[in-house]
Amino acid sequence: EIVLTQSPGTLSLSPGERATLSCRASQSVTSNYLAWYQQKPGQAPRLLIYGASSRATGTPDRFSGSGSGTDFTLTISRLEPEDFAVYYCNQYASSRTFGQGTKVEIE
Amino acid sequence: QVQLVQSGAEVKKPGASVKVSCETSGYTFTGYHIHWVRQAPGQGLEWMGWIKPTSGDTKYTEKFQGRVTMTRDTSSSTAYMELTRLTSDDTAVFFCARGSPVPATVKLAFDSWGQGTLVTVSS
Repeated sequence: EIVLTQSPGTLSLSPGERATLSCRASQSVTSNYLAWYQQKPGQAPRLLIYGASSRATGTPDRFSGSGSGTDFTLTISRLEPEDFAVYYCNQYASSRTFGQGTKVEIE
Repeated sequence: QVQLVQSGAEVKKPGASVKVSCETSGYTFTGYHIHWVRQAPGQGLEWMGWIKPTSGDTKYTEKFQGRVTMTRDTSSSTAYMELTRLTSDDTAVFFCARGSPVPATVKLAFDSWGQGTLVTVSS
């Protein structure tokens, strides 16, 4: 099983700041089958990024994904008020597993 | 548009079973795997397994093997997840999500999700 470790657990930032979230895999994620989701309280997760770096339909361009192999990053260039949420990475190369999540909160 | 609509909240006693439904629309039901994901209160997302709607083939994660059964009804484009021998640790929101196409010539992330079904296990 591929274990995903996200860091930090919580990110305290202000609107307009840049957010950098990390996701590290215990083994290589083939074909960069790595996705990022955003989840707000009481809602289902929403797909933001797939294939490590491709934005899903409707994802604003302030969100970008990068990385390959075992190290992946989600960057939010300028935080908007609606971006404060929990973010999960998910690999779909070998079965499916999720990271434990990173909460982006208002400082 | 693609929609997955789940059944309503349930309250169950320890030892009981629960069956959650996921009715799909807006796409060919047999064209994509359906996955189930559990989220305990205040916790992260936990993948449970998938069902291939064409054949009914399933794959379950080891943690739930022996307690979970995923089925489907192609006539109503609906997937089901049944979890048995419930304990308080099973109190959670359960989500269905659309996954890779059938056949899985390419792998896809979960691009559409149900709204979630809260299952509360309490005596």
